[in-house]
Amino acid sequence: DGGITQSPKYLFRKEGQNVTLSCEQNLNHDAMYWYRQDPGQGLRLIYYSQIVNDFQKGDIAEGYSVSREKKESFPLTVTSAQKNPTAFYLCASSTEDRVRDYGYTFGSGTRLTVV
Amino acid sequence: AQKITQTQPGMFVQEKEAVTLDCTYDTSDQSYGLFWYKQPSSGEMIFLIYQGSYDEQNATEGRYSLNFQKARKSANLVISASQLGDSAMYFCAMTINFGNEKLTFGTGTRLTIIP
Repeated sequence: DGGITQSPKYLFRKEGQNVTLSCEQNLNHDAMYWYRQDPGQGLRLIYYSQIVNDFQKGDIAEGYSVSREKKESFPLTVTSAQKNPTAFYLCASSTEDRVRDYGYTFGSGTRLTVV
Repeated sequence: AQKITQTQPGMFVQEKEAVTLDCTYDTSDQSYGLFWYKQPSSGEMIFLIYQGSYDEQNATEGRYSLNFQKARKSANLVISASQLGDSAMYFCAMTINFGNEKLTFGTGTRLTIIP
């Protein structure tokens, strides 16, 4: 079955470290997205990519970086410049002709904690 | 820019009753899509239902229906015959055009079903 795989499920980061969250999809979707969710809050867009080798900043891009070298992969790096990175991170993907029936597909998320 | 407003932070509903979750949106675009997602305590995002801005009929999917009132910019979710398993966070979201654009979320409503 196709889907989105996020790894790891839990990640602990020391102060000043960069960490990379993995997101892989085998749905052949063109667009991919990264969202951050804080406890009891909605989802806020970090970065998104509509096509390989191109991506756009979302509402809270500061302290994060991404790459989209392959259609299947959209890794997110949380840099030391992100002052409050503890949150739940969700990756999603979409393809225009399947949005009506399947919406945007989400991964199961990565919980990042600063220690 | 798009904006989604969910004014009910939490709701308690008796099992087997119907429940309406409110959602209003704001956009200057004529072409847009509206979504509802369910997020149980596990954190996964489950797609429930979709409504396109040009759809003349309200979307329905099993026990879920979307009460779309375009002039009022309202897209309320109705869950009929609520079940204990419906207890979760519910998010309203929208995108301009009909896919492969960023999805903007509301702050969510926490629904608790009482036995």
